Amino acid sequence: DTGVSQNPRHKITKRGQNVTFRCDPISEHNRLYWYRQTLGQGPEFLTYFQNEAQLEKSRLLSDRFSAERPKGSFSTLEIQRTEQGDSAMYLCASSFVSGGEETQYFGPGTRLLVL
Amino acid sequence: KNQVEQSPQSLIILEGKNCTLQCNYTVSPFSNLRWYKQDTGRGPVSLTIMTFSENTKSNGRYTATLDADTKQSSLHITASQLSDSASYICVVSGTDYLSKAAGNKLTFGGGTRVLVKP
Repeated sequence: DTGVSQNPRHKITKRGQNVTFRCDPISEHNRLYWYRQTLGQGPEFLTYFQNEAQLEKSRLLSDRFSAERPKGSFSTLEIQRTEQGDSAMYLCASSFVSGGEETQYFGPGTRLLVL
Repeated sequence: KNQVEQSPQSLIILEGKNCTLQCNYTVSPFSNLRWYKQDTGRGPVSLTIMTFSENTKSNGRYTATLDADTKQSSLHITASQLSDSASYICVVSGTDYLSKAAGNKLTFGGGTRVLVKP
């Protein structure tokens, strides 16, 4: 257990429905990342926050995806009008950065299946 | 384009045997290289980290090497155990500390799936 938690761990939904995932980072960490991982592949960067500010979004993050970190603590990732291609593991990672090296600690992930 | 390629894609070894996983990268600028272990259905956990000036790093039965000239790394598992069955992911950081977006430039390999059989 790295100290990063994600909920739910599994989600099954029908195409067209909206889903929301939550990530609780390690409490003193100022950075929070979202990644997507499909079977047999490494994680792909989606977006990240420095405190409550969303600093970068990948082109993978279509307009159906939105992420928030309102108070600089937990974060939510919402997918609207889900498609079968959204089926994947969604990983959250957090880190503390104040210059120098950065280690990202990953949560257990939320596995999404869109039927 | 920054890329990290790992080989083999998967391997099966007998408990107690050794194995070596390979990672080739074309990430620039290079900051550090990490090996992560990912158990099925879990998030990745960092095993080792090496910067440009380091060419070997050990963590128990795991030993990572780095050749920054040829942009190659390897992860050697000694005396494998059943609990070593997992995916091993090579991750290269191209962090540019002068950039406001520093810290997010991780490039992940596709991983090598290792199955240790009794």
